[in-house]
Amino acid sequence: GNSVTQMEGPVTLSEEAFLTINCTYTATGYPSLFWYVQYPGEGLQLLLKATKADDKGSNKGFEATYRKETTSFHLEKGSVQVSDSAVYFCANSGGSNYKLTFGKGTLLTVNP
Amino acid sequence: DSGVTQTPKHLITATGQRVTLRCSPRSGDLSVYWYQQSLDQGLQFLIQYYNGEERAKGNILERFSAQQFPDLHSELNLSSLELGDSALYFCASSPLGGGQGLYYEQYFGPGTRLTVT
Repeated sequence: GNSVTQMEGPVTLSEEAFLTINCTYTATGYPSLFWYVQYPGEGLQLLLKATKADDKGSNKGFEATYRKETTSFHLEKGSVQVSDSAVYFCANSGGSNYKLTFGKGTLLTVNP
Repeated sequence: DSGVTQTPKHLITATGQRVTLRCSPRSGDLSVYWYQQSLDQGLQFLIQYYNGEERAKGNILERFSAQQFPDLHSELNLSSLELGDSALYFCASSPLGGGQGLYYEQYFGPGTRLTVT
């Protein structure tokens, strides 16, 4: 079946620190992989995506590379800002590509 | 703003009651997905409709049902409510229904927070 495992939070960083949030997946077929972000009191927003192996998704300074050999899709950002404080969800679409399976979410707090 | 609207924003009701959550997808999107977000279960896929027909089912309880209408809006009906049904319910939409080798980005609404007392 499909599953996503992401690192447990919470993660607390100082502004301008380097961020890594680990994510590994299992899926049947050829999944697409995603990172979604949820700001306090809001819905989920797609942060970035990758649809095939070795693709790199990037947006707003965040990056993640689809690694088929390690079944991973780790989220990174070189210099976080206070405004990046949110919950981050890793997700995969499985092989069928019509539903998303989410990880449990990682709460990131960035302090000034 | 994703273009997906959900009403109501908040809902407080008692155990045993029935409620209806409404979702309007982005203009032109044919697929609607329902997800439940709770503290213990995280974000879980409930059900998908594509152009009025049920396309996929996830961890949806028998007490819950959904439908998609000809104008493409969708409703999620929750009945015989229990305390454990308290959660955030999200609706998402995408242009098409997906399929092997295809993916269409899902756009999420702001959610309906259901509190069962």
